[in-house]
Amino acid sequence: LAKTTQPISMDSYEGQEVNITCSHNNIATNDYITWYQQFPSQGPRFIIQGYKTKVTNEVASLFIPADRKSSTLSLPRVSLSDTAVYYCLVLEGSGAGSYQLTFGKGTKLSVIP
Amino acid sequence: DAGVIQSPRHEVTEMGQEVTLRCKPISGHDYLFWYRQTMMRGLELLIYFNNNVPIDDSGMPEDRFSAKMPNASFSTLKIQPSEPRDSAVYFCASRTQQGTYTEAFFGQGTRLTVV
Repeated sequence: LAKTTQPISMDSYEGQEVNITCSHNNIATNDYITWYQQFPSQGPRFIIQGYKTKVTNEVASLFIPADRKSSTLSLPRVSLSDTAVYYCLVLEGSGAGSYQLTFGKGTKLSVIP
Repeated sequence: DAGVIQSPRHEVTEMGQEVTLRCKPISGHDYLFWYRQTMMRGLELLIYFNNNVPIDDSGMPEDRFSAKMPNASFSTLKIQPSEPRDSAVYFCASRTQQGTYTEAFFGQGTRLTVV
């Protein structure tokens, strides 16, 4: 299972773009990268998933370089309601652990007025 | 669909008592996960099921913990006997798998306090 490393915490002002980078040096060919968001007192919520290059949805963008050893979650123009913990996960695409969701410590994003 | 439903939302029990947490996954989902979250250890995967069959229970901390999924719409996580160190928020999640798309949906969690 590919290990992920991401910053423990980040601060940002409202209206700014926030980029959270995750390292996953031993990602395997069949693995996918996915990000979840967790608000206090709630369960995690899926944000975005990708395999390579760039993926964009209504919430965020995910940038994955060609070597796939890292990925960057980009949140455009954050607001106070984006204050949450953001988790980067690498999902095994095959084998017994296929798509098993294993969470790390995540990045605690605090948005400041 | 109402999403993943967990009950109770809060449970306070005395050490040594049996505790049963319940989960109703989203209809049609064939994977169900049980997680435990604490400040110290973060979000830990305890066990997961595929089509009601336990696939990996290596995260279950010890024999005091057991989980069942008697049918596709119901699962339980039981702790017997409970200990103060079991105090945590327990989440249930479910998903289906369509190709490589793997979005999982989490319940609101059960906050367990063992005194």
